[in-house]
Parts: sequence; C-alpha cells; structure tokens
Amino acid sequence: NAGVMQNPRHLVRRRGQEARLRCSPMKGHSHVYWYRQLPEEGLKFMVYLQKENIIDESGMPKERFSAEFPKEGPSILRIQQVVRGDSAAYFCASSPLSPSPHEQFFGPGTRLTVL
Amino acid sequence: GQQLNQSPQSMFIQEGEDVSMNCTSSSIFNTWLWYKQDPGEGPVLLIALYKAGELTSNGRLTAQFGITRKDSFLNISASIPSDVGIYFCAGQLRAGGTSYGKLTFGQGTILTVHP
Repeated sequence: NAGVMQNPRHLVRRRGQEARLRCSPMKGHSHVYWYRQLPEEGLKFMVYLQKENIIDESGMPKERFSAEFPKEGPSILRIQQVVRGDSAAYFCASSPLSPSPHEQFFGPGTRLTVL
Repeated sequence: GQQLNQSPQSMFIQEGEDVSMNCTSSSIFNTWLWYKQDPGEGPVLLIALYKAGELTSNGRLTAQFGITRKDSFLNISASIPSDVGIYFCAGQLRAGGTSYGKLTFGQGTILTVHP
C-alpha cells in the first residue's frame, strides 16, 4: 500500500510566479491536511479537506493561497504570486475515516524555494 | 490558538542511554501523537494516544497521555544511532461528527546520539 505521495519534491519559483503542489493520499483515505514548516520549526496547520469540501481553512493565509481536493485526482495547494516568505517545506497528510481517523500519515513534502 | 511547549529543544546523549521528552499545552487535547522526522523527509508516526492516562509502547518507545489531557511524554530506552532525528509531539482536538481536527505541533526535540 503506497504511502502519501507529493510532487514535486522540490520546486523553485521566482517572485510573482505561481506554485502548484500536489498530494495523493493513501489508498482509502478520504481526509487530506496541508501543513507548512519553516526551517527549524514545527509544522503549522493550513487547511483540512475532504473530497470536494474544505472543512477547516483557519490556517490558510487569506490571500494568494487556495486548496482543493476534487472528486477525481490529487489534492492541490496553489500559491499565487509567490513571495520570498513563502519559501518553506509544505507537507500533506491523509487519514482514513476508520478505524483510526485520528492518525495522520505524512508525505515526504515539497520544498518550495522562491528566488 | 492552542500552544504546545515541547522540551527539551535538543539532547546530546550516548548510545545506550534512555531519553525523555515532553509536551505541555495551555488547553486540553483529545488525542496526542508523537512523530519522528529525518532530514528532508516527512514526519513518521511513532505512537498515538487516545485516552487520558493511557500508556502505550512501541518497541523501545513509550508514551503517555497526561491525566489532565494537557501534557504527554515520550521515552526512548537504550538509544541507538538510528534514533537520531527530530521528535515532534502533536495534539488534536476532535471537531465533532466525522471531522477530525488539525494537529497542533510542538517545536520539536533534536536528538543526537553519540556512538
């Protein structure tokens, strides 16, 4: 059973460009979470999605950031008009509805560098 | 928002020694999770705790969910070089229904094991 998959693993963008980060949850998992990690810090929650629904976006910046989890295909975290402060590692996690919905399993992350 | 304080920030130990780290929160959680993160990788789930007072082991790892639901600790016995990494605690507050909430992470404990 493949784990959570994220791509790309590394992404370099210039200021003002768009960044698209993709996440495929583990098979059978219907919940997806996105987190951001700055160097030498813990992970910070951004958004929680179920298929076609945003459940909690309390950690998402109000502008330039958006997320979706369509009926078919991976979840996408989109950052428009990137700035240097967006440079970070972005992690996706997924969890099953049962039997252990509390447990979140993380992907390897996408390291975004904004030049 | 909820704050998690994890200590110590870093530990330097000799192979074979036992290790203890803990997390305290300003408010209660329903679930505590402990993760390990290696450089350039995503966090890997080590132990999940679901009930106040619960003591759970996974090999040389033992973790407890504090009675007050505001703290948790992780012990590693007889450390080995591959225990090196960053250990994170994470608390979860269930949102109700089928919504399982975001994780709030501690700042991490950097563990170095000298052979």
